[in-house]
Amino acid sequence: QVQLQESGPGLVKPSGTLSLTCAVSGDSISSLKWWSWVRQPPGRGLEWIGFVFHTGSTSYNPSLKIRVTISVDKSKNQFSLELTSVTAADTAVYYCARADGDPDHFDYWGQGTLVTVSS
Amino acid sequence: QSALTQPASGSGSPGQSITISCTGTSSDVGTYNYVSWYQKHPDKAPKVMIYEVSNRPSGVPDRFSGSKSGNTASLTISGLQAEDEADYYCSSYTTSSTVVFGGGTKLTVL
Repeated sequence: QVQLQESGPGLVKPSGTLSLTCAVSGDSISSLKWWSWVRQPPGRGLEWIGFVFHTGSTSYNPSLKIRVTISVDKSKNQFSLELTSVTAADTAVYYCARADGDPDHFDYWGQGTLVTVSS
Repeated sequence: QSALTQPASGSGSPGQSITISCTGTSSDVGTYNYVSWYQKHPDKAPKVMIYEVSNRPSGVPDRFSGSKSGNTASLTISGLQAEDEADYYCSSYTTSSTVVFGGGTKLTVL
């Protein structure tokens, strides 16, 4: 059974960098899947952030592209998210997910982790 | 990229059927058969209910079905049950090799 688990600080200061890691078990990060981050601000809908392939290829949401980096660590079978210059608008529950297909859908998800941007 | 358009809310009584729409553009829904639907209960991770317009993952009841016509995709839930009360989100792959979600529909089972 594929399992994903997010980890990282729950509080980040404004203008700082949000860093999260997603540990993958039950599948290899080098499999023919893409690995993704999705977030949900309080009271709002889901927002796709981006995804990464094990080769390092990435695709990002155009609205976040200049601030986002998603990378893989094959040795630890995990992938990571970095979001720079954060503001209160980046406060959200952040989910990591496995993307299947072209990739066009997310079949396995982490439980999510709340990150609050506040001084 | 703009979010796909979904109705903010919908409702139905147990046993009834309900259809939720998801409207995009020729850059996403209209071009690919890569529309997915997710069910989200409060404080839970989203769960894929339909992928590639009409495919159901193993374990999803056949009460859930999907379709598409032009730039609009639809999710139909037949034989509504209390446990179906949740938020539903559509998503689509895009011509820019990105993914876009809809704004979400809050389904109430009366």
